[in-house]
Amino acid sequence: QVQLQESGPGLVKPSETLSLACAVSGGSISSYYWNWIRQPPGKGLEWIGFVSHSGDTSYNPSLESRVTISVDTSKNQFSLKLSSVTAADTAVYYCARAEWLSEFDSWGQGALVTVSS
Amino acid sequence: SYVLTQPPSVSVAPGETARITCGGDNIGSKSVHWYQQRPGQVPMLVIYYDDDRPSGIPERFSGSNSGNTATLTVSRVEAGDEADYYCQVWDNSDLVFGGGTKLTVL
Repeated sequence: QVQLQESGPGLVKPSETLSLACAVSGGSISSYYWNWIRQPPGKGLEWIGFVSHSGDTSYNPSLESRVTISVDTSKNQFSLKLSSVTAADTAVYYCARAEWLSEFDSWGQGALVTVSS
Repeated sequence: SYVLTQPPSVSVAPGETARITCGGDNIGSKSVHWYQQRPGQVPMLVIYYDDDRPSGIPERFSGSNSGNTATLTVSRVEAGDEADYYCQVWDNSDLVFGGGTKLTVL
């Protein structure tokens, strides 16, 4: 059973870059698409983007100018960088696995990131 | 961009049937996945590819998809079904979630 675990700072200052990593255990990072999803407090789910095991990416058009998702197959992990953050980026950030254009079958526990000075 | 529309809330009495809709332009041509999110918990897949159930999901959960509406049906609703439910599709290589529906068990 694959497990995903997010890690990174829980507090980020406005205008700085939010950085999170997702460690994949119990399975290989190959052959899947690795996604970031976020959920502001009290609100719905928002897809941020994905990276494939080979480094191909797709991003939510509304965030594309600020997002970079990358994969490190040697560490079996993938990462999210979101630049120029504001309070509106405060959310629980989830990493999740999917096959190509398919459902999310595994999720991390989520990491709350607060943007505040 | 593709938009999925869900009712903000649905309320049913225990034992009744809840139907949660997900509207989108010709959504019947896409594959729809549904997630349940209980308060404070991680979303959990309850229906995939319109009408398939993952192992461990009760048969009370079913799905359908045709025309401009996909529907998640929860039969014989129990108190433990109270949660937020989200539909999800892929539009080309972009993923879209519905806004979510809060199912309240009266």
